[in-house]
Amino acid sequence: LAKTTQPISMDSYEGQEVNITCSHNNIATNDYITWYQQFPSQGPRFIIQGYKTKVTNEVASLFIPADRKSSTLSLPRVSLSDTAVYYCLVGSSGGYNKLIFGAGTRLAVHP
Amino acid sequence: DTGVSQDPRHKITKRGQNVTFRCDPISEHNRLYWYRQTLGQGPEFLTYFQNEAQLEKSRLLSDRFSAERPKGSFSTLEIQRTEQGDSAMYLCASSFTSAAGDTQYFGPGTRLTVL
Repeated sequence: LAKTTQPISMDSYEGQEVNITCSHNNIATNDYITWYQQFPSQGPRFIIQGYKTKVTNEVASLFIPADRKSSTLSLPRVSLSDTAVYYCLVGSSGGYNKLIFGAGTRLAVHP
Repeated sequence: DTGVSQDPRHKITKRGQNVTFRCDPISEHNRLYWYRQTLGQGPEFLTYFQNEAQLEKSRLLSDRFSAERPKGSFSTLEIQRTEQGDSAMYLCASSFTSAAGDTQYFGPGTRLTVL
């Protein structure tokens, strides 16, 4: 499974757009990219998943360049409740996936 | 609520005791995973079921750990002779394979404290 690298922490303020970039230089052809959000003492929550270009849902957008060696999670107009740890993972579209989590990015949103 | 559920949410036990956790996946999901998470770390894979078959176990899953999914629906994770190092959050996830991939949905977790 491809290893991912993301910033350990980020700070933002309410109402700002937050972009968290993840590097996955060794991503394989059939790998897709998934982001999870986790609050303290809760299980990870699925945010968004994509393979290439741009994916948008009601929560976030995921931007994936043509070479797919990185991806950016974009959270529009964050609020205090977006303070959490965000994990970027890559996994194969075929077969099962034992997700390999890194330490994630700790996002702190300030008033 | 049709999400993944886990029971209990919290468990405090004394060293040497046995504990059992239950996971109820999303009903149509055929894949079920167990992970363990310690403070400040991301979740670590423990084991995976496809229907009732346990297809992979991590080296983290020592002989004191056993997991079952008897009818391909709910799953149990048992830890025998608990040790203080077993204190962690135990997470269950389920998925259903589609053309889009294997998207796993996690339960709220069971926090185990071994005294």
